Amino acid sequence: GENVEQHPSTLSVQEGDSAVIKCTYSDSASNYFPWYKQELGKGPQLIIDIRSNVGEKKDQRIAVTLNKTAKHFSLHITETQPEDSAVYFCAASIDTQGAQKLVFGQGTRLTINP
Amino acid sequence: DSGVTQTPKHLITATGQRVTLRCSPRSGDLSVYWYQQSLDQGLQFLIQYYNGEERAKGNILERFSAQQFPDLHSELNLSSLELGDSALYFCASSVYPSNQPQHFGDGTRLSIL
Repeated sequence: GENVEQHPSTLSVQEGDSAVIKCTYSDSASNYFPWYKQELGKGPQLIIDIRSNVGEKKDQRIAVTLNKTAKHFSLHITETQPEDSAVYFCAASIDTQGAQKLVFGQGTRLTINP
Repeated sequence: DSGVTQTPKHLITATGQRVTLRCSPRSGDLSVYWYQQSLDQGLQFLIQYYNGEERAKGNILERFSAQQFPDLHSELNLSSLELGDSALYFCASSVYPSNQPQHFGDGTRLSIL
């Protein structure tokens, strides 16, 4: 089955700097890659997603890139702010016509230092 | 607020007991997913329903079962509880069963004493 590896497990950056989190997946049939942000006591919140027919997607300070050949995808956060501090999860899924099974990475705890 | 409602927020029970977790999806969403989050296993997919029908299954234990009702709310039943079942249980929903983003509720924290 699908396996998703996420690095680093913890990341500390200065406010205003950029943060990059990387994930690799094992199943070349995976075609949907969302990123979630989880704050303490809350459920995962979808922040951006990308499909396998797209190489890059951007939403304000957040961008995701996908390299299908290498089977890895990355989250880029620019101009980081204290409210970006949270645990971030990547996930991969083989999106079929009738089902979607997300496989998550182990998470990255991002700390933004003022 | 994602619009997905989970009850109860916290549940404390003993080994061997049975509990039911409830999920109301976002208005308009027809598909419901259940996940387990624990420190050692991370976030793991359990099961997916669409319009009352099971669509996908993950590593869900035989002691666990779920269903989706005609009003689209879903329940996850956990029986013969063990200490290792202590975890956060999340429900997510989407409009259709695939090619749609999933939106998560804030979970039910289950503690087994």
